[in-house]
Amino acid sequence: DQQVKQNSPSLSVQEGRISILNCDYTNSMFDYFLWYKKYPAEGPTFLISISSIKDKNEDGRFTVFLNKSAKHLSLHIVPSQPGDSAVYFCAASDFGNEKLTFGTGTRLTIIP
Amino acid sequence: DSGVTQTPKHLITATGQRVTLRCSPRSGDLSVYWYQQSLDQGLQFLIQYYNGEERAKGNILERFSAQQFPDLHSELNLSSLELGDSALYFCASSPAGQFSTDTQYFGPGTRLTVL
Repeated sequence: DQQVKQNSPSLSVQEGRISILNCDYTNSMFDYFLWYKKYPAEGPTFLISISSIKDKNEDGRFTVFLNKSAKHLSLHIVPSQPGDSAVYFCAASDFGNEKLTFGTGTRLTIIP
Repeated sequence: DSGVTQTPKHLITATGQRVTLRCSPRSGDLSVYWYQQSLDQGLQFLIQYYNGEERAKGNILERFSAQQFPDLHSELNLSSLELGDSALYFCASSPAGQFSTDTQYFGPGTRLTVL
């Protein structure tokens, strides 16, 4: 039972353009959502998060949007840079339960 | 560098064997989490310890066990290993682990190969 889904295994974007990574979830108890970035041979690195009481959170080039009614979130990266090439994982947790439920990841490749 | 260390980086062993993976959390972090990432899969939560006590359990097999020691480092023990246990095992830590909004910081992982 995949409660967090990232349906696009890979995405290629031109440098300088916008990258949009999508994530869907099925568990309505999830109230906190995170994006992690992972380079090869390294552990995931926290990127940005959003609480269910918000619909947008911005940090520099990264913005996460949450649509609770659609159970959908997205990560926007503007402008995309070559160093953004990595695997991006969407994760979710519910209040009082610290374990993270991860999606299967999307490999983002930024083309110079 | 997240501040979370894991040893060893790589481990190659045979079916039926037992191995121990070690994790040292960031300084001051009380919670340790273990995750398994199999090929082309997301990270699957295994178990969480908070200040020495088991706090949450996920999809952890009975052949697997973990503990957190008084100095807060943690060990994940995998026994009667099967080919399907080959995976990346990540440890993460967070400051308190009492709130879902605590950021988890991940170590570099241990790659286990069972032959």
